[in-house]
Amino acid sequence: QQQVKQSPQSLIVQKGGISIINCAYENTAFDYFPWYQQFPGKGPALLIAIRPDVSEKKEGRFTISFNKSAKQFSLHIMDSQPGDSATYFCAAKPNQAGTALIFGKGTTLSVSS
Amino acid sequence: DAGVIQSPRHEVTEMGQEVTLRCKPISGHNSLFWYRQTMMRGLELLIYFNNNVPIDDSGMPEDRFSAKMPNASFSTLKIQPSEPRDSAVYFCASSLAGSGGGRYNEQFFGPGTRLTVL
Repeated sequence: QQQVKQSPQSLIVQKGGISIINCAYENTAFDYFPWYQQFPGKGPALLIAIRPDVSEKKEGRFTISFNKSAKQFSLHIMDSQPGDSATYFCAAKPNQAGTALIFGKGTTLSVSS
Repeated sequence: DAGVIQSPRHEVTEMGQEVTLRCKPISGHNSLFWYRQTMMRGLELLIYFNNNVPIDDSGMPEDRFSAKMPNASFSTLKIQPSEPRDSAVYFCASSLAGSGGGRYNEQFFGPGTRLTVL
């Protein structure tokens, strides 16, 4: 079964530090890699996404790095803030029409002040 | 836009009872997804519909679970009979699906239904 493996399961970072969450996939037939952010009591919401034809995408303090040959992608949160404390999910979408996103298990990030 | 609407937000029931969760997707979206979230298993895809047709229900745990989408603006997830191990947060999500990647794959999640089966 297609899988997306996410690590670490939990992460504690000091305010101002860099948070890094990693994901790896096995199937090469993915063409879309989003990251979702979930706050307690809320549903996940799209944070940032990347296509495999680029190696990096940056939006504010959030950056996705994508390594196609290694089948890995990661989320970097620069200058982490307490408000970034949430659960983060990576995901991948097969390049077939009518297929669903495959989510990682999630990483709970706590940013201490 | 009101976003994806789910009801009820909380449900407490006793083992053996029937539970029906409801979802109204974002108007114009053609794909609808039901997920279950637990601490142990994370976010699990149960079933998804494309243009009201079930495409993949391989994530449905067992025959006690059923889902319907009678029209483009409404879907239900039913558990009958419910068991304590069904306790979880159930999310509905919708998207405007297209082939390939890009914004058309963004899934919008509802606020979830927290189900507790005693």
